[in-house]
Amino acid sequence: GDSVTQMEGPVTLSEEAFLTINCTYTATGYPSLFWYVQYPGEGLQLLLKATKADDKGSNKGFEATYRKETTSFHLEKGSVQVSDSAVYFCALIPYSGNTPLVFGKGTRLSVIA
Amino acid sequence: KAGVTQTPRYLIKTRGQQVTLSCSPISGHRSVSWYQQTPGQGLQFLFEYFSETQRNKGNFPGRFSGRQFSNSRSEMNVSTLELGDSALYLCASSFGQGVSGELFFGEGSRLTVL
Repeated sequence: GDSVTQMEGPVTLSEEAFLTINCTYTATGYPSLFWYVQYPGEGLQLLLKATKADDKGSNKGFEATYRKETTSFHLEKGSVQVSDSAVYFCALIPYSGNTPLVFGKGTRLSVIA
Repeated sequence: KAGVTQTPRYLIKTRGQQVTLSCSPISGHRSVSWYQQTPGQGLQFLFEYFSETQRNKGNFPGRFSGRQFSNSRSEMNVSTLELGDSALYLCASSFGQGVSGELFFGEGSRLTVL
């Protein structure tokens, strides 16, 4: 079945460091891909998405490119802030759309000043 | 506009008891999904309701059930609680039947089973 694999955390970075969180997927057809973020004590919220190959999603300085050839959707940010500390989830929804979101296990990011 | 509201936020139960969790979606949203979040398993899909009909169901035992009312509010019930049911239960709503994949999550109900 469809699945998402994320790099294990936790990831600890200093403020202003470059961030990459790896995400690869297994799916038939052309899924839509998402990154969700969960700040401490809160529910998840959509960070960015891409619906077709080579699309780049971006929001709040984060970006991710849908790479079909490598079945990847890595999350990047050029300069992280303490406020970016959160758990990041990669997710997909199959092309058919009539099935629920499939989430990765999440990667916890801690940014220290 | 108000977000997704889940009640109660925290609750403690003992093994064998049952629990009911409530979710009020964003106004106008007709789809409600439920997820169980645990440190070991991450987010696991429980079920999705759209216009009072269960559209999708995850791989959970029959002790887990849910329903949706005509105003789109949803409840989930867990009977005969087990220690392993301790988790954060997240509700999410969307306007359509989740086709876009954009879900709006509540803050969750944290269940502890002793």
